[in-house]
Amino acid sequence: SQKIEQNSEALNIQEGKTATLTCNYTNYSPAYLQWYRQDPGRGPVFLLLIRENEKEKRKERLKVTFDTTLKQSLFHITASQPADSATYLCALDETGTASKLTFGTGTRLQVTL
Amino acid sequence: GAVVSQHPSRVICKSGTSVKIECRSLDFQATTMFWYRQFPKQSLMLMATSNEGSKATYEQGVEKDKFLINHASLTLSTLTVTSAHPEDSSFYICSARDHNEAFFGQGTRLTVV
Repeated sequence: SQKIEQNSEALNIQEGKTATLTCNYTNYSPAYLQWYRQDPGRGPVFLLLIRENEKEKRKERLKVTFDTTLKQSLFHITASQPADSATYLCALDETGTASKLTFGTGTRLQVTL
Repeated sequence: GAVVSQHPSRVICKSGTSVKIECRSLDFQATTMFWYRQFPKQSLMLMATSNEGSKATYEQGVEKDKFLINHASLTLSTLTVTSAHPEDSSFYICSARDHNEAFFGQGTRLTVV
């Protein structure tokens, strides 16, 4: 059966450290993998997209890797700040057209002082 | 980036009544919009794809007569929850696609009492 798993429901780290979130999937062949941030009571906000033929993508303090052999994506936030505290969702896009995104359950990140 | 506006952000209704949620693309035209539902601590689940000028496509297990979708223009899709019951209480989120990137509304918290 198809499954998307994000490593843990919650992750607590200290300010300034690097947060690493994991997204593993089975029985999907995504053309794109996307990462979103969701704050409580709000809709998801797009952060980064990585294509199946890309190994790594960066945007400011964010870095995403994509390993289609391992069927895994890692999402890193460097020099984390309390404002980074939120739930982070990975989403698979099998069509490459942002249609019918399939979301993981999310990892709730808490960055403390 | 593109903006998707969803209204209302919160609604409380009595059991048996109907509720309409609007989703608007503010600065772009969207021939396709998507409606998701999210229960607490769970992932976003795609309910249906709304197509401008034609019938919506519903995901398996979603009752089309209960969740009426209308996509009357290139900037507006509506979701009507008919004869709402307490189990319909959830967070409903719409998204629209612009250049193969998905943008999400703020979400609507529906509580049926």
